[in-house]
Amino acid sequence: EDQVTQSPEALRLQEGESSSLNCSYTVSGLRGLFWYRQDPGKGPEFLFTLYSAGEEKEKERLKATLTKKESFLHITAPKPEDSATYLCAVQAGGYQKVTFGTGTKLQVIP
Amino acid sequence: EAQVTQNPRYLITVTGKKLTVTCSQNMNHEYMSWYRQDPGLGLRQIYYSMNVEVTDKGDVPEGYKVSRKEKRNFPLILESPSPNQTSLYFCASSWVAGKVNEKLFFGSGTQLSVL
Repeated sequence: EDQVTQSPEALRLQEGESSSLNCSYTVSGLRGLFWYRQDPGKGPEFLFTLYSAGEEKEKERLKATLTKKESFLHITAPKPEDSATYLCAVQAGGYQKVTFGTGTKLQVIP
Repeated sequence: EAQVTQNPRYLITVTGKKLTVTCSQNMNHEYMSWYRQDPGLGLRQIYYSMNVEVTDKGDVPEGYKVSRKEKRNFPLILESPSPNQTSLYFCASSWVAGKVNEKLFFGSGTQLSVL
């Protein structure tokens, strides 16, 4: 059974204080690892897809990396508008199922 | 504008009263799926569909039904709702490239309360 574990559950940062969110996964035959951002009361919004170990993707202050066992979402010099819950998800084996972690709730204090 | 539209946004009902939550997408996506989101449990897949008339169970299908008669629509049906189905529900859709679901587009969610 595919498993996705995110840590920490919650993270509070000062504006400008860089940090990383972790997503560890146990799957058979990873096809893709995804990062989403979810604001309160809204549906998740796509950020990145990573397909293989060693791959990295960047978007503004966010950078996602992937190894064979985990993925990191690095946040550089965060701003208050980066406050949200960040979700990690994996797709493995057949392409019908995308399994989500429980998320990391990030709060950036001005 | 590309979007996934769910209705209603909020729904309060009583145990046993059949209800339908509608979902429609305007991106010609093959893949559509329903998730429920509960505190501490994250997003869990209920049902998914690879194309018209092709549906299958996700992780938590008990008590739910779906249909895919048209490519753009994927309604979620609760024939006899129970209080443990109180949750936040999301519909999502995506293209499929090779064997990978390209990014999922999510609706705004339906907050369901079953009394």
